[in-house]
Amino acid sequence: GDSVTQMEGPVTLSEEAFLTINCTYTATGYPSLFWYVQYPGEGLQLLLKATKADDKGSNKGFEATYRKETTSFHLEKGSVQVSDSAVYFCALSYNTNAGKSTFGDGTTLTVKP
Amino acid sequence: DVKVTQSSRYLVKRTGEKVFLECVQDMDHENMFWYRQDPGLGLRLIYFSYDVKMKEKGDIPEGYSVSREKKERFSLILESASTNQTSMYLCASSGRGQGATEAFFGQGTRLTVV
Repeated sequence: GDSVTQMEGPVTLSEEAFLTINCTYTATGYPSLFWYVQYPGEGLQLLLKATKADDKGSNKGFEATYRKETTSFHLEKGSVQVSDSAVYFCALSYNTNAGKSTFGDGTTLTVKP
Repeated sequence: DVKVTQSSRYLVKRTGEKVFLECVQDMDHENMFWYRQDPGLGLRLIYFSYDVKMKEKGDIPEGYSVSREKKERFSLILESASTNQTSMYLCASSGRGQGATEAFFGQGTRLTVV
């Protein structure tokens, strides 16, 4: 079956530091890939997505590239802010049943001033 | 603005009670989902529905049931609540068709069973 593996957290960074959160996946087909973010006390919201190999998703300064050869979708941001503190989830799903996603365990990011 | 609304943010129930968690979406989405979220375990799918009156089991359906009488509403039912069902419950919906249609989530219901 499908699976998503994220780097273990928690991750603590200083403001303006560079962020990488690793995500690798195992898939039986050709999924779309997503990063969701969960702020304290809230549900998940989509951060960015990529639908096919070599696509780059970007939003709010975050980027991730769909790498089929390494089955990876690493999240990066050049300069984090305190407001980026949240839990980040990598996920995959298929067009035929979008929404029925397979999620990683989540990575907690804390950014200190 | 698209919206998935869960009826309660926090609930405290007693062991053995029947518990209803309600979820409503205003996007005319066909698909609706219930997940539970626990520390270190990520999100696990309990049940989902692709259409009115239709339901399918997810990965952890034991102890739960669901109801979808209207397209916009998807209810999760704990028939007899137990302490191991203390968790954060997340409802989500999504559209259908080509393209990577992402899931839209509600704000979550934190359920405590005492």
